[in-house]
Amino acid sequence: SQKIEQNSEALNIQEGKTATLTCNYTNYSPAYLQWYRQDPGRGPVFLLLIRENEKEKRKERLKVTFDTTLKQSLFHITASQPADSATYLCALENTGFQKLVFGTGTRLLVSP
Amino acid sequence: DTAVSQTPKYLVTQMGNDKSIKCEQNLGHDTMYWYKQDSKKFLKIMFSYNNKELIINETVPNRFSPKSPDKAHLNLHINSLELGDSAVYFCASSQDHQGAQGYTFGSGTRLTVV
Repeated sequence: SQKIEQNSEALNIQEGKTATLTCNYTNYSPAYLQWYRQDPGRGPVFLLLIRENEKEKRKERLKVTFDTTLKQSLFHITASQPADSATYLCALENTGFQKLVFGTGTRLLVSP
Repeated sequence: DTAVSQTPKYLVTQMGNDKSIKCEQNLGHDTMYWYKQDSKKFLKIMFSYNNKELIINETVPNRFSPKSPDKAHLNLHINSLELGDSAVYFCASSQDHQGAQGYTFGSGTRLTVV
């Protein structure tokens, strides 16, 4: 069956450290993978997209990697801040299916 | 200016009632979506429309009927509401049906069926 798995346990880190979140998928052939941030009571906000032929993408303190052999994406936030505390969702579009499928999200807590 | 706006933000209603949720986007996007987020925070696609044409209809009960009067609007009508319909419903849009520049989500409508 198709699955997109993210660590369901919250990730607790200290301010200034690098947060690394994992997204693993099974039985998908994604054209691209996206990462979103969701705060309580709000809709998801798009952060980054990485295509199947890209290994790494960066945007300010964010970095995403995509390994289609391992079927895994890693999402890094460097120099994390308490304001980075939120739930982070990975999402992918299976090639040709025209719809974004979401993982269950990982809650990140950055403490001062 | 809100990019994707949904109304109402909260909706509490009794079982068996019919209700509608409205969504509008001012981004000029071609494609709009409805997603449902359940109590476990899992976000699942329900429908998508591209230029007013239905392109995705997941296995959603036919009590749910989307309507797109123009490409800037996608409304969701729900008949005979059931307890299990309680969830947060998100409208979203993307530039095209490939969504390769990310989706823009509304702030959600929390539906509670009592």
